[in-house]
Amino acid sequence: AQSVAQPEDQVNVAEGNPLTVKCTYSVSGNPYLFWYVQYPNRGLQFLLKYITGDNLVKGSYGFEAEFNKSQTSFHLKKPSALVSDSALYFCAVRAFTGGGNKLTFGTGTQLKVEL
Amino acid sequence: GAVVSQHPSRVICKSGTSVKIECRSLDFQATTMFWYRQFPKQSLMLMATSNEGSKATYEQGVEKDKFLINHASLTLSTLTVTSAHPEDSSFYICSARDPGGHTIYFGEGSWLTVV
Repeated sequence: AQSVAQPEDQVNVAEGNPLTVKCTYSVSGNPYLFWYVQYPNRGLQFLLKYITGDNLVKGSYGFEAEFNKSQTSFHLKKPSALVSDSALYFCAVRAFTGGGNKLTFGTGTQLKVEL
Repeated sequence: GAVVSQHPSRVICKSGTSVKIECRSLDFQATTMFWYRQFPKQSLMLMATSNEGSKATYEQGVEKDKFLINHASLTLSTLTVTSAHPEDSSFYICSARDPGGHTIYFGEGSWLTVV
């Protein structure tokens, strides 16, 4: 079975500082990895994905994530946080082989960016 | 990116009645759509996979007679909550996979309140 762990319920960072939201995964076969952001009372917005190729993927709003196969991690990063980045972030995984199209989500990390 | 639309965004219904939520892919055809349920401050729980022209596949523990899913066309899936009870009150989110890629896009979600 595939699973995702987001070890931090909340991450606090000052505006202008770099941010990291952690994600580790477990899956049989090669993973498809995703990050989504959810603002209050809204659906999920796609940020970025790793399918294959370069381990560093760049996405929307200046976010990037690094795929690390040996550590089974896919941490989300941004060099300079904005107050408007404050939201709930979800990491998700789908198996490259088998598992159909199902996404398995982590429990989410609340990011709070303060002035 | 691809757009997935949900309607209504908010609905209030009386106990014992049924309510229908629509999920539309606006600029692509989706043979598969997914329905999730999200409780406050929690992750998304996959309820069922909706397949165009065939029966939906329900996750374990989800009552298929209570949560009726119909995927009658390549751009529309509906979730009908039958004989609703207050415990069915939740945030329901649909998603669809972009057939040209690997990304799954989400709707804005629908808040259901059963009184």
